[in-house]
Order: sequence, then C-alpha cells, then structure tokens
Amino acid sequence: GAGVSQTPSNKVTEKGKYVELRCDPISGHTALYWYRQSLGQGPEFLIYFQGTGAADDSGLPNDRFFAVRPEGSVSTLKIQRTERGDSAVYLCASSLKQQDEQFFGPGTRLTVL
Amino acid sequence: AQSVAQPEDQVNVAEGNPLTVKCTYSVSGNPYLFWYVQYPNRGLQFLLKYITGDNLVKGSYGFEAEFNKSQTSFHLKKPSALVSDSALYFCAVRGGYQKVTFGIGTKLQVIP
Repeated sequence: GAGVSQTPSNKVTEKGKYVELRCDPISGHTALYWYRQSLGQGPEFLIYFQGTGAADDSGLPNDRFFAVRPEGSVSTLKIQRTERGDSAVYLCASSLKQQDEQFFGPGTRLTVL
Repeated sequence: AQSVAQPEDQVNVAEGNPLTVKCTYSVSGNPYLFWYVQYPNRGLQFLLKYITGDNLVKGSYGFEAEFNKSQTSFHLKKPSALVSDSALYFCAVRGGYQKVTFGIGTKLQVIP
C-alpha cells in the first residue's frame, strides 16, 4: 500500500516568507508526527497529533511554527516569517497507534535564503 | 528528560564480519526502544523494536538487538555484514506516552 507522502520534496524560500509543508499519512493511522532533521543530527521532535488534536506540541521551537490536522488525516506544517535557521529537512511520520513504530515520509528539504 | 546516546559517529566493518552499533538510553519508567535505518536520499525505515518480553529482538534484514536493562543499552547487531547494510542507523526511545527521542545516528560502513 501507499506509504507516507510529503509535498513538496524541496522548497526554497526567502527570509521572512511564509511556507506550508504537507504530509499525507498512511490511511488508517491515527497518530501523526512532525520532526526536523538538520545535517549530522537525528530527527528532532516538533509535534504529535492523535486524530485531529495536537497531543504534544512541546517541540515547536517558537510561535512562528504551527501545524494542523483538521480531518484527522492530512497535516500541514506552517512556518511564518521564515529565518535562515529554519533550513532543514522536515520529516513526517505516522503510526497506527501512538505506541507503535513510526513510518516516515521522504521529507521536505526547506532552504531559507 | 529522556535521552539516547550513540557513542560512535561511524562504525567500519568488513563484509561477512559481525557488526554492532551501540545505543544507550535514559528514560523514566519502562522504555520503548526502536532502531531505524536511513539510506542515502531515502526516508527512515523501521528495523525493529523492544516493548516487552524477550531481551533479544529480531527485525528486518537479519538485524537483531539486545535489550539490557541493567546497562540501559539496546545495541544493534548482525551476525554477517553486507555491503548493502552501509547506511545511517538511528536508535530511539520513548518512555510511556512521551514523545520519541532519537539519537544523532551512527554511520555504518561495510567494506568489501
């Protein structure tokens, strides 16, 4: 079956602009996660959804970052007033239940010039 | 706070030899432990997990991992390495219903 998909695969933007990153989880997976991975680092947790609600958003670095999952499937990570330090690969993952292993998408590489 | 340590940036092993990639963790309560692999230009793939039960866990592609509670370790092992095993390996831990914390990764290089 289809895995987790993320669009776009690459996004180049200018400092100060607004970006949206999309994640399509595996059908039927109730849990969805967003991570950020910088070069030479492991995935860094941003936010976790159980269904439509954000169960844990403790990893969001500041109020420029926001994520939604309005119908409990597709999720969008939104970054306002982007900064060069936001450049990274943004990973999305889903799992059947919160305690299960996660299935990752290919990521969106964000570059802020 | 929970944490994961992968003490080796890179592990080199000859093809056909056994391999070990080390991982230690710190967590409150019972740990849920995972290993993921990342091939170049591809997403992370799940290898195996420990939730409860037998300390030796078997996973994909012939990999296994041993949970050692007293040493708080979860080392990844394979009896005979393949060149195609060369990749970046991440250990991850979750305590209870907390978020998953990943290590910084270990690059495995299998030499023909």
